[in-house]
Amino acid sequence: RKEVEQDPGPFNVPEGATVAFNCTYSNSASQSFFWYRQDCRKEPKLLMSVYSSGNEDGRFTAQLNRASQYISLLIRDSKLSDSATYLCVVYSGGGADGLTFGKGTHLIIQP
Amino acid sequence: GAGVSQSPRYKVAKRGQDVALRCDPISGHVSLFWYQQALGQGPEFLTYFQNEAQLDKSGLPSDRFFAERPEGSVSTLKIQRTQQEDSAVYLCASSATSGAGDEQFFGPGTRLTVL
Repeated sequence: RKEVEQDPGPFNVPEGATVAFNCTYSNSASQSFFWYRQDCRKEPKLLMSVYSSGNEDGRFTAQLNRASQYISLLIRDSKLSDSATYLCVVYSGGGADGLTFGKGTHLIIQP
Repeated sequence: GAGVSQSPRYKVAKRGQDVALRCDPISGHVSLFWYQQALGQGPEFLTYFQNEAQLDKSGLPSDRFFAERPEGSVSTLKIQRTQQEDSAVYLCASSATSGAGDEQFFGPGTRLTVL
């Protein structure tokens, strides 16, 4: 199984602050990258795909660094509702087992 | 339905019992995946169906685990002779396309506790 690593946190961040966390992957041939969000005792939901050129969706920005084999997620103007676990997901091809989830980074936004 | 549904949401089994977990994917979705998620971990791949065909079962931890999707829609994950280490949340996900490279829509999961 291809390795995907994340800092588990928790990251405790005051409301309104900017927070960023990375995810490293070991397979240089990885093809697709995603960030999923998982609330406590809920199912994962796609937050955003990560494109080679980087992409932004409102307060969220995702970037891919193929040379260093990591993806990042930056959250600006954090809200209390951003508190969740953020799962890094990497697809390396070769079938369904080529999709690997990280263990997640736990983010807590404090009032 | 509007999303992926799973039943039961919670299951408590005595060690040695057989359990069956059901997944109703989004209507028309080609791909269906089963994952096992232990506390504090990310989902771990178990098995994958493309329509009714089980194309990958490499993640099933033992021959006590069996999955089917006979008509290409509803799927059942069966665990025979449950053990305590089987305790986890079992997530089902579906995708509109074949393969694992696109967005997956997850169900709420079945939380299995084996006593």
